[in-house]
Amino acid sequence: RKEVEQDPGPFNVPEGATVAFNCTYSNSASQSFFWYRQDCRKEPKLLMSVYSSGNEDGRFTAQLNRASQYISLLIRDSKLSDSATYLCVVNGAGGFKTIFGAGTRLFVKA
Amino acid sequence: DVKVTQSSRYLVKRTGEKVFLECVQDMDHENMFWYRQDPGLGLRLIYFSYDVKMKEKGDIPEGYSVSREKKERFSLILESASTNQTSMYLCASSDGTSGLNLAYEQYFGPGTRLTVT
Repeated sequence: RKEVEQDPGPFNVPEGATVAFNCTYSNSASQSFFWYRQDCRKEPKLLMSVYSSGNEDGRFTAQLNRASQYISLLIRDSKLSDSATYLCVVNGAGGFKTIFGAGTRLFVKA
Repeated sequence: DVKVTQSSRYLVKRTGEKVFLECVQDMDHENMFWYRQDPGLGLRLIYFSYDVKMKEKGDIPEGYSVSREKKERFSLILESASTNQTSMYLCASSDGTSGLNLAYEQYFGPGTRLTVT
């Protein structure tokens, strides 16, 4: 089993739709969680950190479920510019190891 | 703005050649990383460094070595390039005043697409 797993997609959604991605992790001692965004042929960039209490940044909401060992990303009112690959990132116990998921591809269409 | 630069965007090398990939960051970050990214596999950590002259193996260090002589520069070395090392190589840096604590945002360079023929 991979340490961090994501549905690769692609998710094809119309503009204005709400879309959600999940990411599961295997190490229950993991401490830090992030979502990164990677545009085609570009480097990954931090989208948002994921806190235990959940956090929201505009149209984006991230949540952590420690009991079931998954994090989620919800995008409301999708825009064409949201089309990208979304990478789930988990830091291991003590923060000593960073593990990237393989990414979920999102296409938002007009 | 944090800036991470990599020496080349595209590189073509022959099997058996020694290859140097250079990475420089301008934010005085303690931690630096080298990843490779392959379709369906995501980013895989090759090596990281949390201080000058310090290095730790990541998940796939075989066939690679690294050098960190100055804080801002982290080099990845392929001692004898092979075709299975054809990949996108990404360098990243992050702050981390606690030495081994790597739970900070990572800033990536634009990547080097290496082809080994």
